[in-house]
Amino acid sequence: DIQMTQSPSSLSASVGDRVAITCRASQNIISYLNWYQQKPGEAPKLLIYSASSLQSGVPSRFSGSGSRTDFTLTISSLQPEDFATYYCQQSYTSTWTFGQGTKVEIK
Amino acid sequence: EVQLVESGGGLVQPGDSLRLSCAASGFTISSYWMGWVRQAPGKGLEWVANIKQDGSEKYYADSVKGRFTISRDNAKKSLYLQMSSLRAEDTAVYYCARVIATTGWYFDLWGRGTLVTVSS
Repeated sequence: DIQMTQSPSSLSASVGDRVAITCRASQNIISYLNWYQQKPGEAPKLLIYSASSLQSGVPSRFSGSGSRTDFTLTISSLQPEDFATYYCQQSYTSTWTFGQGTKVEIK
Repeated sequence: EVQLVESGGGLVQPGDSLRLSCAASGFTISSYWMGWVRQAPGKGLEWVANIKQDGSEKYYADSVKGRFTISRDNAKKSLYLQMSSLRAEDTAVYYCARVIATTGWYFDLWGRGTLVTVSS
């Protein structure tokens, strides 16, 4: 199985900060990498698909980059509603895997 | 409204069986792959299984293979997860999700989840 490793596991940031979360795959997954946001008590929400495509309705401050094994989710200017946990997920193989999550907290 | 609504969760004992259901509305379920994802209390997301539009292909996580069965009834606009030989580590919120398989492969629509608790 492909292992997905996110870093950091958690971070503290202030409103307006630029935040980057990385996700590393244990093997080449080309661009089959997606990012989700989850707030407490809620279902996950798709942010970015295929490494860099912004899901409809998602603010443009979110962006994704990378290919093969290394990927990054960037929030250009952190807003109060962005404090949440973020997950990467690979869909290169028929069995999918999520990263362990990155919790973004208020500094 | 486009939505997925899970049901069937509850408290069961180790070794028991349980069937989860997911009702789709606002879209044609027969046009989409569908899947299940779970989240243990305080833990991260874990992919469980996916099923093709006509049910001809099914894929499972190693942790549930041989114990869980994903199925669907497109006429009833429903997705199911039959769980057997349940263990304490299967305790989780189970989410039903729609798969987009055109512009990549990903979950674009999620239900609110149903809680399964396995405990004696």
